[in-house]
Amino acid sequence: QSALTQPASVSGSPGQSITISCTGTSSDVGAYNFVSWYQQHPGKVPKLIIYDVSNRPSGVSNRFSASKSGNTASLTISGLQADDEADYYCSSYATTSTRGLIIGGGTKLTV
Amino acid sequence: QVQLHESGPRLVKPSETLSLTCTVSGGSISSYYWSWIRQPPGKGLEWIGYIHYSGTTKYNPSLKSRVTISADTSKNQFSLKLTSVTAADTAVFYCARTNMVRGASLDFWGQGTLVTVSS
Repeated sequence: QSALTQPASVSGSPGQSITISCTGTSSDVGAYNFVSWYQQHPGKVPKLIIYDVSNRPSGVSNRFSASKSGNTASLTISGLQADDEADYYCSSYATTSTRGLIIGGGTKLTV
Repeated sequence: QVQLHESGPRLVKPSETLSLTCTVSGGSISSYYWSWIRQPPGKGLEWIGYIHYSGTTKYNPSLKSRVTISADTSKNQFSLKLTSVTAADTAVFYCARTNMVRGASLDFWGQGTLVTVSS
């Protein structure tokens, strides 16, 4: 199974909003609302910031929002802050014979 | 609060078997699914596979022929074996809880352990 497709990098200025896309297929992103997003600062452990396409775990800022349309999911970060500079990964449950997880290639956000 | 901790050899010789164990505290592995994920230096995350305490496993097709994940409920641990390793298998290996109720999200992670494949 191929990785989900994400842009390699995005950038924005403090206070602005950015959106990161995550494109899969009808066998993963498009199949169920089982898309998650993770934030990883350099040298740190990935942190779950979105699950089930658009839900935030407790403690995650409401500046993070997400959605899905067809085979493409999107993460939007509003009111960019310096600390948002990190790598972001999407993942999806896959309905292929493996029925496992598939993770995107990651997007480096520069603020 | 669930905590996970990876342990095992940090250096493995080419062609040998990489073995890691994830010890879970603050919760029982006899619920949820449990995943292994790896990240080569400077690269992205790759899901390796997961296990349910019942023994059900699923693996990444690209690694399936070399991977075995097992669980020991008596020790609240699950383990990874990756055979016939090469330098390309050098990576930080993470274990994580896989929350199927929340869309198979990886909601708790270990700190990760760097395993280097080298002679």
